[in-house]
Amino acid sequence: GEKVEQHESTLSVREGDSAVINCTYTDTASSYFPWYKQEAGKGLHFVIDIRSNVDRKQSQRLIVLLDKKAKRFSLHITATQPEDSAIYFCAASPSNNNNAPRFGAGTKLTVKP
Amino acid sequence: ETAVFQTPNYHVTQVGNEVSFNCKQTLGHDTMYWYKQDSKKLLKIMFSYNNKQLIVNETVPRRFSPQSSDKAHLNLRIKSVEPEDSAVYLCASSLGGYYAEQFFGPGTRLTVL
Repeated sequence: GEKVEQHESTLSVREGDSAVINCTYTDTASSYFPWYKQEAGKGLHFVIDIRSNVDRKQSQRLIVLLDKKAKRFSLHITATQPEDSAIYFCAASPSNNNNAPRFGAGTKLTVKP
Repeated sequence: ETAVFQTPNYHVTQVGNEVSFNCKQTLGHDTMYWYKQDSKKLLKIMFSYNNKQLIVNETVPRRFSPQSSDKAHLNLRIKSVEPEDSAVYLCASSLGGYYAEQFFGPGTRLTVL
């Protein structure tokens, strides 16, 4: 089945800098790649997604890049703010619509003032 | 208010007891999920329910069972809890199957003594 690897377990940046979180997946037919944010003591909250028909998507300060050839996708947070501090999860949906998305292990992002 | 609601917020019980967790979504979604999040924040899909089709993660022990009365409710029952069941259980829902953003509840924290 699909396996998603999230490369950075922790990431620390200064306020105003950019943060990049990288994920890889194994199923070449995966076509949907969402990102979620989890703040302490809360459930996950959707932030942005990308589908396999495009290789870049931007929503305000968030940019997602998808490299289907390398089976890699990344989340770029520009002009980081302290409230961006959280755990970020990437996920990939296998091509078989009988399977729910598989999640990476999460990246704890700390934005220092 | 439209969202994903989970009860209880937390539950403490002893080995061998039976527990049930409730999940209700008022978003009009057609797909619901249960995830287990362990102490390292790893997310594991347990069940998903889409168009009356239940998909079970084959690694989930048989003591776990989902219960759905309609597409707005997906409860989780654990027949005889074990210490390794201690975790946060997250419920989520989405519209249109597995290629859509998921909305998560706040979670139920289970502690097994």
